Amino acid sequence: GAVVSQHPSRVICKSGTSVKIECRSLDFQATTMFWYRQFPKQSLMLMATSNEGSKATYEQGVEKDKFLINHASLTLSTLTVTSAHPEDSSFYICSARRETVYEQFFGPGTRLTVL
Amino acid sequence: LAKTTQPISMDSYEGQEVNITCSHNNIATNDYITWYQQFPSQGPRFIIQGYKTKVTNEVASLFIPADRKSSTLSLPRVSLSDTAVYYCLVGDQGGNAGNMLTFGGGTRLMVKP
Repeated sequence: GAVVSQHPSRVICKSGTSVKIECRSLDFQATTMFWYRQFPKQSLMLMATSNEGSKATYEQGVEKDKFLINHASLTLSTLTVTSAHPEDSSFYICSARRETVYEQFFGPGTRLTVL
Repeated sequence: LAKTTQPISMDSYEGQEVNITCSHNNIATNDYITWYQQFPSQGPRFIIQGYKTKVTNEVASLFIPADRKSSTLSLPRVSLSDTAVYYCLVGDQGGNAGNMLTFGGGTRLMVKP
């Protein structure tokens, strides 16, 4: 149990385009989902926290207009990278947490490459 | 925030026991300690969590001294497939997820044949 999926696993896009990444909790309802970014050889950095039905909370330095997060249901959160640039190329990882369970369940990640 | 400090890297050989220590001097009373494992291009995977003394599961043990200012992840008889980055996180279980979401630098474990 407690499986989190991400789609796509890998995406390559041209500079200036927008990319949507989906995060799904497959066998549980996730009241809270988190989005992280990880650059090569570096640790995970939290970008934002999203609660179902409400606006996401962004970490300092993360542009909310560039990284649009939608958590419309208890099993799905999406991250849209708008007007992507090469510096947005990174490994994006989501995690999900149930209401009464402290543990975070991580997705497999999405490798974004912006040309 | 309870910041964590871990060695940047460690080397070991197959079959050996590996102990990775994490320092968390500012740990709060309500904080738990959780360890994750991450392979390249994959999301982190939960290994073990504890509050005090010792916790053991099928893959690892976690030792936490009485002052809780550090913790040690113990991996018995490592294999090549244990080569990964190991992260120690500290945070409370009461719903304040802020601390828990701060990943430190992690320890890059290399297991050699």
